[in-house]
Amino acid sequence: SAVISQKPSRDICQRGTSLTIQCQVDSQVTMMFWYRQQPGQSLTLIATANQGSEATYESGFVIDKFPISRPNLTFSTLTVSNMSPEDSSIYLCSVEDLWGVGEMNTEAFFGQGTRLTVV
Amino acid sequence: AQSVTQLDSHVSVSEGTPVLLRCNYSSSYSPSLFWYVQHPNKGLQLLLKYTSAATLVKGINGFEAEFKKSETSFHLTKPSAHMSDAAEYFCVVRIINFNKFYFGSGTKLNVKP
Repeated sequence: SAVISQKPSRDICQRGTSLTIQCQVDSQVTMMFWYRQQPGQSLTLIATANQGSEATYESGFVIDKFPISRPNLTFSTLTVSNMSPEDSSIYLCSVEDLWGVGEMNTEAFFGQGTRLTVV
Repeated sequence: AQSVTQLDSHVSVSEGTPVLLRCNYSSSYSPSLFWYVQHPNKGLQLLLKYTSAATLVKGINGFEAEFKKSETSFHLTKPSAHMSDAAEYFCVVRIINFNKFYFGSGTKLNVKP
């Protein structure tokens, strides 16, 4: 299993500013994911971050708004840039951990999330 | 295309009665299927997972799910609801050929005393 620490756990930010969220994993993982969970909604994948390569963004998300760093196999950051109230959400870091043999043997682990409020 | 449909956005049951949370998936490939639970202001916790072994999967806290390929379903059940089961439940699909997890829209479970 993987234990994920996410910082900050919550923040209130002024519109137009940026916030960087950190995700630290207690083991080396290949794939890290960043999700957004808007109030009362499900999780939406923002991007997949692999170490040593550019993050892959999902439709509707762009690097200028959500730049991601992945400097090593245990750490990643997500920045929410030029924030507006519509960015108020919970942002979650997730990793995929392989267990046993075969690609079917996989599981996602999640951080506690960062609750962002933009005022 | 891959997708996950949770058929009920809200389910309300009385304590001690059975729970059924429905999930259907669409995939061109063999899926891994998961149920996660999210309690208020808490992180996501894995309840159970299906990965092509037994079709009936047992998870934590008395929950079970059965994978039915012919119906493309993975419904979550529990024989007797407890007040502590009140939470939001997400059905999740992982497709081998795609490096991502697809989340359903979630089902909020309310348990009445």
